[in-house]
Amino acid sequence: RKEVEQDPGPFNVPEGATVAFNCTYSNSASQSFFWYRQDCRKEPKLLMSVYSSGNEDGRFTAQLNRASQYISLLIRDSKLSDSATYLCVVDSNYQLIWGAGTKLIIKP
Amino acid sequence: EAGVVQSPRYKIIEKKQPVAFWCNPISGHNTLYWYRQNLGQGPELLIRYENEEAVDDSQLPKDRFSAERLKGVDSTLKIQPAELGDSAVYLCASSLRDPGGYTFGSGTRLTVV
Repeated sequence: RKEVEQDPGPFNVPEGATVAFNCTYSNSASQSFFWYRQDCRKEPKLLMSVYSSGNEDGRFTAQLNRASQYISLLIRDSKLSDSATYLCVVDSNYQLIWGAGTKLIIKP
Repeated sequence: EAGVVQSPRYKIIEKKQPVAFWCNPISGHNTLYWYRQNLGQGPELLIRYENEEAVDDSQLPKDRFSAERLKGVDSTLKIQPAELGDSAVYLCASSLRDPGGYTFGSGTRLTVV
């Protein structure tokens, strides 16, 4: 079993819809969690950190479920520009483990 | 403020040749990472520096890969000799000491032919 797993997708979603994807992790001692966005042939860019209490940034909501060991990302009112690959990162004592990413395609 | 700067952006070399990548992290960022990313996969950590000390190089193929971070600022990653399987994007990232997200450079796309 991989340490961090994501559904590779692609998720094909109509513009304006809500989409959510999860990321599961195996190390229960993991301490920090992040979502990154990566556009084609570009470097990953931090989208948001994931806090225990959950956090929201505009149309994006991230949540952490420690009991089930997963983090989630919810995108509301999706835009064409949201099309990208979304990578989750799990940090356990500075050991960064990356998921392979979930590809999201927003269609007009 | 400049972000993480990497060079070159692209490199094509023949197998068995040496190659080097350079990274200048964000000023004040103590932690520097080198990652390798293959198509359709997440970045894979090669080495992590805290200032000038390599604190995690467990994933670095030491028979052909080497890295240094003189004076705890910029860093170079070298491959000698390169193999076909080394073709990938090599990303450098930096962060402050406390985890809070990492800033990546634009990467070096290496093609070994």
